[in-house]
Amino acid sequence: QLQLQESGPGLVKPSETLSLTCTVSGGSISSSSYYWGWIRQPPGKGLEWIGSIYYSGSTYYNPSLKSRVTISVDTSKNQFSLKLNSVTAADTAVYYCARQLGTNWFDPWGQGTLVTVSS
Amino acid sequence: ERVMTQSPATLSVSPGDRATLSCRASQNVINNLAWYQQKPGQAPRLLIYGASTRATGIPARFSGSGSGTEFTLTISSLQSEDFAVYYCQQYNNWPLTFGGGTKVEIK
Repeated sequence: QLQLQESGPGLVKPSETLSLTCTVSGGSISSSSYYWGWIRQPPGKGLEWIGSIYYSGSTYYNPSLKSRVTISVDTSKNQFSLKLNSVTAADTAVYYCARQLGTNWFDPWGQGTLVTVSS
Repeated sequence: ERVMTQSPATLSVSPGDRATLSCRASQNVINNLAWYQQKPGQAPRLLIYGASTRATGIPARFSGSGSGTEFTLTISSLQSEDFAVYYCQQYNNWPLTFGGGTKVEIK
């Protein structure tokens, strides 16, 4: 059974860089059928897609975040990562990683990790 | 960008009753639409993809319909475990976008 687990600091200072890693277990991140995505959810609000990556390194980003986001993949570790720079309080959210069938829907999702931006 | 609008924001339903949730796309997304269920403190769970295909393990009381710009998620007979927030997501175009959610609460 495929599982995803987010990891990284739960507290980031304003103007710094948020860095998270998603570790995939129970399956290979190098499968040709899937992209791997990051989605976030501010407290009490809805879902926002951040970006997605293929095992080859091909990426798609949300234009609203594109100037600040980098998603990368490490196939040797079965992991993919998110970096969001110049964070503000508006970036406080639960960050989820998920498997994406092709460039389509997300299933399954990781449990999510809360990242708070505060000094 | 395809803007996804869900209605109502909150739906009060009695257990055993039918719930009908709507999702409207600002432009045609064909049938490239998914529905998710999210319970408090949990990650979203895929319910429906392709507008009407139930994901693995999803009970038959959940059904999806629609195409183009108008979509519906129907829960035929609400069980206690169905009270949650439901989101639609279009994957016809980048950027991928979600609706704002419909909270289904106990009446």
